[in-house]
Amino acid sequence: NAGVTQTPKFQVLKTGQSMTLQCAQDMNHEYMSWYRQDPGMGLRLIHYSVGAGITDQGEVPNGYNVSRSTTEDFPLRLLSAAPSQTSVYFCASSYFSGGRGGTEAFFGQGTRLTVV
Amino acid sequence: TQLLEQSPQFLSIQEGENLTVYCNSSSVFSSLQWYRQEPGEGPVLLVTVVTGGEVKKLKRLTFQFGDARKDSSLHITAAQPGDTGLYLCAGRNYGGSQGNLIFGKGTKLSVKP
Repeated sequence: NAGVTQTPKFQVLKTGQSMTLQCAQDMNHEYMSWYRQDPGMGLRLIHYSVGAGITDQGEVPNGYNVSRSTTEDFPLRLLSAAPSQTSVYFCASSYFSGGRGGTEAFFGQGTRLTVV
Repeated sequence: TQLLEQSPQFLSIQEGENLTVYCNSSSVFSSLQWYRQEPGEGPVLLVTVVTGGEVKKLKRLTFQFGDARKDSSLHITAAQPGDTGLYLCAGRNYGGSQGNLIFGKGTKLSVKP
């Protein structure tokens, strides 16, 4: 089972360059999200989507764009990379539950991005 | 903004010792999850607690949700080197998008043989 697949695993960018981090899931999950993980900061939500064609901002959306044209794919675009965007990026997916319990979030292996 | 405070931030213990990790907030959460993350990997779910006062056990790990659903704890009995990793608590909001998880900063556990 593939689960959540992120590419690339590592990337080095120069300041001002743009790039797209890819995320694909094969579990037919409605909900997908992007987090960044920085030392001492935990995981912070960048953008999320509750279904194809629907996206919304999380806690730290500036400098990032997303789109959700299919259920499976949720790419994250860096418009003009800055050193402050050096981080490890995780994509996650889950069933969207309206109940109080929520459901398990499945994470990809992460993309380690360095902006120089 | 809802915050989850985890303590301690770092914990280094010997094999066989017991430990407790805490996750506290001033806000009420509809549910709380604990994840474990190993280096170079994404977090993996350990447990979800939903009801105030709920206790769940996973082998040597015991998870408790506070009565007021504002805090949680993770207790590990007789820790083993394989327990080494980053433990993250994550709360799910009432209202808003039910899919959104708010993560604590994590507790980095090192268990030495």
